Order: sequence, then structure tokens, then C-alpha cells
Amino acid sequence: EVQLVESGGGLVQPGRSLRLSCAASGFTFDNYAMHWVRQAPGKGLEWVSGISWNSGNIGYGDSVKGRFTSSRDNAKNSLYLQMNSLRAEDTALYYCAKDINRGIGSGHSDYWGQGTLVTVSS
Amino acid sequence: SYVLTQPPSVSVAPGKTASITCGGNNIGSKSVHWYQQKPGQAPVVVIFYDSERPSGIPERFSGSNSGNTATLTISRVEAGDEADYSCQVWDTSSLVFGGGTKLTVL
Repeated sequence: EVQLVESGGGLVQPGRSLRLSCAASGFTFDNYAMHWVRQAPGKGLEWVSGISWNSGNIGYGDSVKGRFTSSRDNAKNSLYLQMNSLRAEDTALYYCAKDINRGIGSGHSDYWGQGTLVTVSS
Repeated sequence: SYVLTQPPSVSVAPGKTASITCGGNNIGSKSVHWYQQKPGQAPVVVIFYDSERPSGIPERFSGSNSGNTATLTISRVEAGDEADYSCQVWDTSSLVFGGGTKLTVL
């Protein structure tokens, strides 16, 4: 059974940093690209970042470019999101999602975690 | 950046057909995926690559994509279909979601 479990969310002050993790199991992690997708309260889905199977291709949404960094450790079956210079508008539920392909691109996400909540507030 | 436009809400009576549109410039040239999201749950793909249906998704769900509009069609709508539906494409190194459509079953 595929499982994606996010962790690391919480309450953080504006301008501070936070690191999210996603622990994957039930599939061959290093065969697939992974994504971070967020959802602000009462809003729609927003792509944050995607990372290819070997970290050779990493993409970011415009709103987080330059502040967030995605990484993965295939030996640990884990995905990470380093979030710096956090803003109030980064408040959201952050999902980890598995792509059907090795690369980030035209594929879809077939499995999602339950999300970890990040609240940016003073 | 690429923009996908969905109606905020669609209402339909049980047993009828619901059509949810996703508009984008020349979206017909892209692969469109559709996700269903119920309150408090993670999204679930219901249609991928324009019209493919994952195993476990009822045949009542179908998709099409041409020109500037992609459409998710749900036939014989049931109360359990009430949810938010979002379209998604890949454009120029970015994954893009539509704003989402809340489907209400009357």
C-alpha cells in the first residue's frame, strides 16, 4: 500500500524558516518524480514544487521561487521542502504527491498524503 | 504564466449530467488531469490524460479536451459526487491548477 506521510508543519513567525518532510512507502521511491502542492484555507490547489526521480530537474511555482527549496533522499525514501522567508500568504495545508512518471511534466499525481499544516503568523 | 479558468460552482440534480469546464489558451494541445476533493480529504484523480479513467473510478466520469476548453462530465450524478473538482496541466516548466469548481448535488 502506497503511503505518503508529511510532517514538519506548525506555527511560525513571518520571515522565519521551516522544513517539511514526506516519508514514502509502498512503492519504489526512486522511480518517480514527487511534488509539493499546497492549499490555503478555503482556496484551491497550488503547485509549490516538483522534483524528478534523480533530483536532476526541480521546478517551483512563481510564488515560492527563490524562497523554497525541494530535495529528496532516495536512500531514505524521503522528500523535503525547505521554506525560508515565510510570509502570511504561505499559510496552507502542504501535500506531498507522487507523480506517475520519473520526470516532472505532463503526468498526474496518483497518490497524495494527508498534508501538514503550515501557519505563518506573528 | 498559464491560466486555467473554472466556474466556481456547478449545481445538478441527482441522476442528471454535470459538466465542469476548464478553460485555457489552446488547452487542447496539453494533457489535462482532473482531481476530486471531498472536505477534509486529499485530492483523488478521476480523469487523466484528458479522458483516461483510473481503476476504481466509475464509468460515469468522463473527460474531453479540445480547442480552448477541457470538460469533465459526470453522468447520472449521485449525492456522493458532491465535491470540489480541479483541472491540472503542465505548461512551460510549471504545473498549473484551475481554481476549482464546487459541485453541488441538489
